[in-house]
Amino acid sequence: GENVEQHPSTLSVQEGDSAVIKCTYSDSASNYFPWYKQELGKGPQLIIDIRSNVGEKKDQRIAVTLNKTAKHFSLHITETQPEDSAVYFCAVTPGNEKLTFGTGTRLTIIP
Amino acid sequence: DADVTQTPRNRITKTGKRIMLECSQTKGHDRMYWYRQDPGLGLRLIYYSFDVKDINKGEISDGYSVSRQAQAKFSLSLESAIPNQTALYFCATSSGTDTQYFGPGTRLTVL
Repeated sequence: GENVEQHPSTLSVQEGDSAVIKCTYSDSASNYFPWYKQELGKGPQLIIDIRSNVGEKKDQRIAVTLNKTAKHFSLHITETQPEDSAVYFCAVTPGNEKLTFGTGTRLTIIP
Repeated sequence: DADVTQTPRNRITKTGKRIMLECSQTKGHDRMYWYRQDPGLGLRLIYYSFDVKDINKGEISDGYSVSRQAQAKFSLSLESAIPNQTALYFCATSSGTDTQYFGPGTRLTVL
């Protein structure tokens, strides 16, 4: 089955700086790559996603890049703010809607 | 999160007890999922259902069962709870576009 590795497991960033979280996957058939944000006491919420026919997608301060050849994709958050503090999960699927999740990154923004 | 509700939000029970966690959704989605979240392990799929008559095992189904009572309702049961089933449980839904929407979670403690 699919194997997803996510790094780092914890990340502390000064407010205003950028944060990058990376995931690698094993199944070359994977074609959908979402990122979820989980705030304390809540369920994960989709913040951005990318499909395999696109190399990069941006939404305001958040961007995702995909390298299908190397089988890795990354979440980039620029101009970080305190409300960006949360746990972030990457996920992959080969299109059968069975998401395989990474183990999560706890991001802390230092004021 | 209001579109996907889970009850109860917190539950403490004893080893050997039967427990049912319930999930309801108002999004009109056909597809529903149950996940388990443990620290450092991300989210793991327990069971999923693509319509009312469809039930499928996920990655970690042993010790769990499910019932899809209607399009909007999907219940997870622990027939005889054990301490290593202590975890956060999430229900999710999707419409067939890969994007999944999560409920707020149920924190289950088995003593």
